[in-house]
Amino acid sequence: GENVEQHPSTLSVQEGDSAVIKCTYSDSASNYFPWYKQELGKRPQLIIDIRSNVGEKKDQRIAVTLNKTAKHFSLHITETQPEDSAVYFCAASTNNNDMRFGAGTRLTVKP
Amino acid sequence: SQTIHQWPATLVQPVGSPLSLECTVEGTSNPNLYWYRQAAGRGLQLLFYSVGIGQISSEVPQNLSASRPQDRQFILSSKKLLLSDSGFYLCAWSAILPNTEAFFGQGTRLTVV
Repeated sequence: GENVEQHPSTLSVQEGDSAVIKCTYSDSASNYFPWYKQELGKRPQLIIDIRSNVGEKKDQRIAVTLNKTAKHFSLHITETQPEDSAVYFCAASTNNNDMRFGAGTRLTVKP
Repeated sequence: SQTIHQWPATLVQPVGSPLSLECTVEGTSNPNLYWYRQAAGRGLQLLFYSVGIGQISSEVPQNLSASRPQDRQFILSSKKLLLSDSGFYLCAWSAILPNTEAFFGQGTRLTVV
């Protein structure tokens, strides 16, 4: 089955700096790559997603890139703010709807 | 609008006792349903997913089982809990179309003592 690896496990940045989280996947049939944000004590919520027919997608301060050949995708957050502090999860899914998640990255944005 | 309900929110169970966690979805039909476990400081491990009534795919061999007796009901069970079953269990649903957003329930924090 699919194996999703995520790095780094923890990331600390200064407010205003950029943060990058990287994920790799193993199943070439995966074609949907969402990113979720989980704030402390809350449920994960989708922040952005990308499908395999697109190489890059941007939504205000966040962007995702996908390299299908290398089987890796990344989340980029620019101009980070303290409220960006949370655990971020990448995921990969095939048409079988078997959505599998990475281990998560705990992002801390220092004011 | 669609909503997902998961209960209980917290549960403390002795080793060897049975388990039943329930998840229901409202406002949609034929959802894909998921059970994930989140161990402390770790990621979301996919345990089971279902694309229809009676259709359960198991990801990890363990002493847990799942059932989908109705279209919008997903149950996670165990006959005898182990200490290692402690964790945060999340139910989620997504629309029947492939590769759409998953919506999570509030989660159940299970402590096996």
